[in-house]
Amino acid sequence: GIQVEQSPPDLILQEGANSTLRCNFSDSVNNLQWFHQNPWGQLINLFYIPSGTKQNGRLSATTVATERYSLLYISSSQTTDSGVYFCAVVSNFGNEKLTFGTGTRLTIIP
Amino acid sequence: DAEITQSPRHKITETGRQVTLACHQTWNHNNMFWYRQDLGHGLRLIHYSYGVHDTNKGEVSDGYSVSRSNTEDLPLTLESAASSQTSVYFCASSFDKGSYEQYFGPGTRLTVT
Repeated sequence: GIQVEQSPPDLILQEGANSTLRCNFSDSVNNLQWFHQNPWGQLINLFYIPSGTKQNGRLSATTVATERYSLLYISSSQTTDSGVYFCAVVSNFGNEKLTFGTGTRLTIIP
Repeated sequence: DAEITQSPRHKITETGRQVTLACHQTWNHNNMFWYRQDLGHGLRLIHYSYGVHDTNKGEVSDGYSVSRSNTEDLPLTLESAASSQTSVYFCASSFDKGSYEQYFGPGTRLTVT
């Protein structure tokens, strides 16, 4: 099946810093989503971005489907950005299930 | 507002008991999914449904069953709970087959003692 790798696994930043999270996937996809899992365990949809670039406030994401990677940018980090960020994809060749990466744990220090 | 809910949010049960976790969505989505999240494994698919009376096995379906009698609900049943089924369970839904965003419920934390 499709493989999804995220980097870095852990990231510790000072409040106000910027960060870039990366997601590599091994096959063509028709769905790519970024999620934030907050400290209470809730999965929050950030972006639905199988290709192209989107922005939502301090967050933006870019997916280059032909090169099989996606990037999530967080600018001017706040402590509420802490948590685990997951990339998840749906392969073009299979059922509709999301295959998740192992996540990037982001800790923002005041 | 449309939403997806799960109940209970927390449950403790004993080995061998039957347990049912509820999932209800008000988006009128055709697709519904159950995932479990465990340390070291991320989220893995248990069962999924593309519509009423349709159910399919995911990658970790042993010991679990689902039924889809209407569009809104996909209950997950653990026939005989085992300690290996201690996990956090997430329900999700999406509009239809194809390239559509999936939305997740708040999760149910299940402990089997």
